Amino acid sequence: GESVGLHLPTLSVQEGDNSIINCAYSNSASDYFIWYKQESGKGPQFIIDIRSNMDKRQGQRVTVLLNKTVKHLSLQIAATQPGDSAVYFCAVLSGYSTLTFGKGTMLLVSP
Amino acid sequence: NAGVMQNPRHLVRRRGQEARLRCSPMKGHSHVYWYRQLPEEGLKFMVYLQKENIIDESGMPKERFSAEFPKEGPSILRIQQVVRGDSAAYFCASSPPQPATQYFGPGTRLTVL
Repeated sequence: GESVGLHLPTLSVQEGDNSIINCAYSNSASDYFIWYKQESGKGPQFIIDIRSNMDKRQGQRVTVLLNKTVKHLSLQIAATQPGDSAVYFCAVLSGYSTLTFGKGTMLLVSP
Repeated sequence: NAGVMQNPRHLVRRRGQEARLRCSPMKGHSHVYWYRQLPEEGLKFMVYLQKENIIDESGMPKERFSAEFPKEGPSILRIQQVVRGDSAAYFCASSPPQPATQYFGPGTRLTVL
């Protein structure tokens, strides 16, 4: 089955810096990837997704990069703000419908 | 446009009691998913349902857990004879027909005393 891992459980940055959160997956057949943000006491919030036929996708202040060769996914947040402080999960679609989540990276943004 | 709704938000049960968790999907979504999250862990898939059908229950414990999504009304995750190890946050997500992004509700935090 699919396994998803994150490289760093906690990332501390200064306000205004760029943040990069990484994720690795195991199944080379995976074709859909999502980043979620989870604030304390809340449900995961969709940030951005990418399909395997792309290697980069940009949103507002966020960019997702997909490297299928090494099965690696990253989320870049530009000009990180205190409101970006949360736990970030990558999720990979396994099979028909199942999302497999990594354990999450806690992003701490200090002013 | 209301998002995914879950209730109750917090549920306390004593060992041996039953827990019923409800989920109303986003308007226009006919697919519902349940996930469980233990403290400081990622979400673990439990079950995927469409109206009146269980599509994938590969993540459901074999005993005590059941789920339904009736033609009318919310999806229900039912846990019978709860044990302390059932204490967790349970999240529901919904999506339009596959493949599509799943949108999550706020979760139900179950505490078993």
